[in-house]
Amino acid sequence: KNEVEQSPQNLTAQEGEFITINCSYSVGISALHWLQQHPGGGIVSLFMLSSGKKKHGRLIATINIQEKHSSLHITASHPRDSAVYICAGPRSQGNLIFGKGTKLSVKP
Amino acid sequence: EPEVTQTPSHQVTQMGQEVILRCVPISNHLYFYWYRQILGQKVEFLVSFYNNEISEKSEIFDDQFSVERPDGSNFTLKIRSTKLEDSAMYFCASREDGNTEAFFGQGTRLTVV
Repeated sequence: KNEVEQSPQNLTAQEGEFITINCSYSVGISALHWLQQHPGGGIVSLFMLSSGKKKHGRLIATINIQEKHSSLHITASHPRDSAVYICAGPRSQGNLIFGKGTKLSVKP
Repeated sequence: EPEVTQTPSHQVTQMGQEVILRCVPISNHLYFYWYRQILGQKVEFLVSFYNNEISEKSEIFDDQFSVERPDGSNFTLKIRSTKLEDSAMYFCASREDGNTEAFFGQGTRLTVV
């Protein structure tokens, strides 16, 4: 049973488009991480949020606690945004359960 | 900006050999983790470490795996007798406390031949 589900699995966009990636999670996860993984493999933390909304540059993350749903938005997308975006939720001990990731490709 | 560093970035080893993957977590962080990602699959939790002992481990983390914090800065993952299926990207992560953001290293790509 996968406790963190993401959609879509793959996403292709034209440069400049507004992008949304969705994540649903199960009971027992109190906060959500959004992470970015580039083709080289390294993982970069983008956000951790447990309520409301956070913004960093062109990235916006929102979370709805009641619906156990979070979204990552990218405004004015750029080819350099091409990466795998992963949501992950911490269990009680703090270790993360990962979603399968959304592979984003932004075409110029 | 403080970061988690991992060495080596790539490691190729013969099946049956022991490997040690090294991590230097962010200095004021207290919680340490190892994760792995088999090619094409999602990231999986291996083990968490707090207060100089394992706090949780997954079923993947069997007797061939061990972790150690030999000094105040390094956090190591040892695989005693590597198997082909241990080939994966191994990530170290650290957190200041149990409720804060996790920071990841760049990973060690382990290839067992």
